[in-house]
Amino acid sequence: DAGVTQSPTHLIKTRGQQVTLRCSPKSGHDTVSWYQQALGQGPQFIFQYYEEEERQRGNFPDRFSGHQFPNYSSELNVNALLLGDSALYLCASRQVGQGANYGYTFGSGTRLTVV
Amino acid sequence: GENVEQHPSTLSVQEGDSAVIKCTYSDSASNYFPWYKQELGKRPQLIIDIRSNVGEKKDQRIAVTLNKTAKHFSLHITETQPEDSAVYFCAASTAGSARQLTFGSGTQLTVLP
Repeated sequence: DAGVTQSPTHLIKTRGQQVTLRCSPKSGHDTVSWYQQALGQGPQFIFQYYEEEERQRGNFPDRFSGHQFPNYSSELNVNALLLGDSALYLCASRQVGQGANYGYTFGSGTRLTVV
Repeated sequence: GENVEQHPSTLSVQEGDSAVIKCTYSDSASNYFPWYKQELGKRPQLIIDIRSNVGEKKDQRIAVTLNKTAKHFSLHITETQPEDSAVYFCAASTAGSARQLTFGSGTQLTVLP
């Protein structure tokens, strides 16, 4: 059973550029959340997608946007990259309404470096 | 919004000893508290979780306790082994389908052989 898969694993971009990160949720999961994890910090919530709509958003600027497709996969887009956007971007999935199982499954992340 | 504080930031124990990591949360509406283990360069993995209608949960060498009144919860690892060395994160979440996780800042646990 495939877990959460993210691509690419590593990415180097120049300041001002745009980047798209991709996530395929675990089989059976329909909700995808994105987190940013700076070095030595805990993950910070960016936003969550369910039924192809953004359901909740953390304290991130509009430069961060996303999308969810009918097959539940998701993309995270970041425009006008800043050096401070360098981080590990984690995708997490779960199934809404699964009852007792509340747990999110995380992917291995995309390491983004902005130079 | 929710704020989760985690202590200590680093913890070293001898193999076989116990380790305790503590977290406090601010939002009384939070009702789900997972713990994640993250090894260097790897994804966070859920190791145990607890819901607010339960005061304690145990899974082999790992246990979590929750004090709703004081708004704190703790992770207890007994008989530690070198493979327990990792960064541990606590998190808190409110009810509902959104279930946004707010993480603590992490504890680097080192188990010395």
